[in-house]
Amino acid sequence: KQEVTQIPAALSVPEGENLVLNCSFTDSAIYNLQWFRQDPGKGLTSLLLIQSSQREQTSGRLNASLDKSSGRSTLYIAASQPGDSATYLCAARGANSKLTFGKGITLSVRP
Amino acid sequence: DTGVSQNPRHKITKRGQNVTFRCDPISEHNRLYWYRQTLGQGPEFLTYFQNEAQLEKSRLLSDRFSAERPKGSFSTLEIQRTEQGDSAMYLCASSLAPTGANVLTFGAGSRLTVL
Repeated sequence: KQEVTQIPAALSVPEGENLVLNCSFTDSAIYNLQWFRQDPGKGLTSLLLIQSSQREQTSGRLNASLDKSSGRSTLYIAASQPGDSATYLCAARGANSKLTFGKGITLSVRP
Repeated sequence: DTGVSQNPRHKITKRGQNVTFRCDPISEHNRLYWYRQTLGQGPEFLTYFQNEAQLEKSRLLSDRFSAERPKGSFSTLEIQRTEQGDSAMYLCASSLAPTGANVLTFGAGSRLTVL
């Protein structure tokens, strides 16, 4: 059974800092890994998806990497802004198309 | 197309009542998923459909829960005899499969509060 872990549960950084959010998964037989953003009380917004054959994906100030062999993914946020404050969830997709989510990391960027 | 639409956005009900949520997926998407998210947790898979066929159900989906997708378009999730433990955000997602990415697009969710 796939388990996805995100540590720490919460993170507070000053504006402008570059930061890395970590995600680990137990079963390396994944099809892809997806990073989502969730604002309080809202649904999920997809940020980046990395196929199992890829090593990284970039979108603007965001860069996500994937190392299947070690069961790790990271989301790098450059030059963080207060508007980046949200909960960031990673999800691993298995062969049955289900996503297994971590509990998320709640990020607070202080002005 | 405006994405995945869920209604109602928020439902408050008394314990023991029945509630129904509706999800309208992206029109060309053939797969539809339901997830449940409780406070401080990541979403947990409940069930998914390919067209009108329900292909998988989680053990989380007790016999009080039923989901349908009668014409392979919109879906409903009904909870009978609600309990306080059913209070959660119910998220719907859709995707086009089989494709290489099978990217899931989520709706804004339907929040259930059981008093």
